[in-house]
Amino acid sequence: DTAVSQTPKYLVTQMGNDKSIKCEQNLGHDTMYWYKQDSKKFLKIMFSYNNKELIINETVPNRFSPKSPDKAHLNLHINSLELGDSAVYFCASSQLAGVTDTQYFGPGTRLTVL
Amino acid sequence: AQTVTQSQPEMSVQEAETVTLSCTYDTSESDYYLFWYKQPPSRQMILVIRQEAYKQQNATENRFSVNFQKAAKSFSLKISDSQLGDAAMYFCAYRSAPGNTPLVFGKGTRLSVIA
Repeated sequence: DTAVSQTPKYLVTQMGNDKSIKCEQNLGHDTMYWYKQDSKKFLKIMFSYNNKELIINETVPNRFSPKSPDKAHLNLHINSLELGDSAVYFCASSQLAGVTDTQYFGPGTRLTVL
Repeated sequence: AQTVTQSQPEMSVQEAETVTLSCTYDTSESDYYLFWYKQPPSRQMILVIRQEAYKQQNATENRFSVNFQKAAKSFSLKISDSQLGDAAMYFCAYRSAPGNTPLVFGKGTRLSVIA
């Protein structure tokens, strides 16, 4: 009964490769997010989607491409991986309207680029 | 743009004692929300407590309470009767209204609990 799940939890890959991280939420939320946590533990928003529509796209290299096939899923595809992409990537979700609009986080995906 | 500042990179507390983590923020908005998230070594982000800016009453969740000073733009977290399981990174976060805006995080405070 995991609320927000991410796969994989760990990802080790070589520079230049392309990889994807998947996120699914079963909370019925309409908004999903990707955050990046760097090596100093600083968390920063990358993207957010509302009802499959991109609403926020922070200054992120265009090698990063989010895709939302439906409200419950938000995947992150990364092309031509670089050493600086090594980080923990968190997916989160929330409901735009309603009493509870708290963001719930997935367990994170630790990406290591060698 | 909003910013969140946590001025204490590390804190420690004796088991069963009380500790206060500081957070200040900068905004020109009048309607917003503030949060404290806990990140234990498992790296899971866990919501500890939230505060709506329009509420004057400080939020409380069991051993966790906040001191929200809107005019001073301060939002500190008090942990009472500290337990070993409280050891974690604690992040203060700000969110504008409406509800689908992203969180702006502080840099975190690492809390150690000494047995």
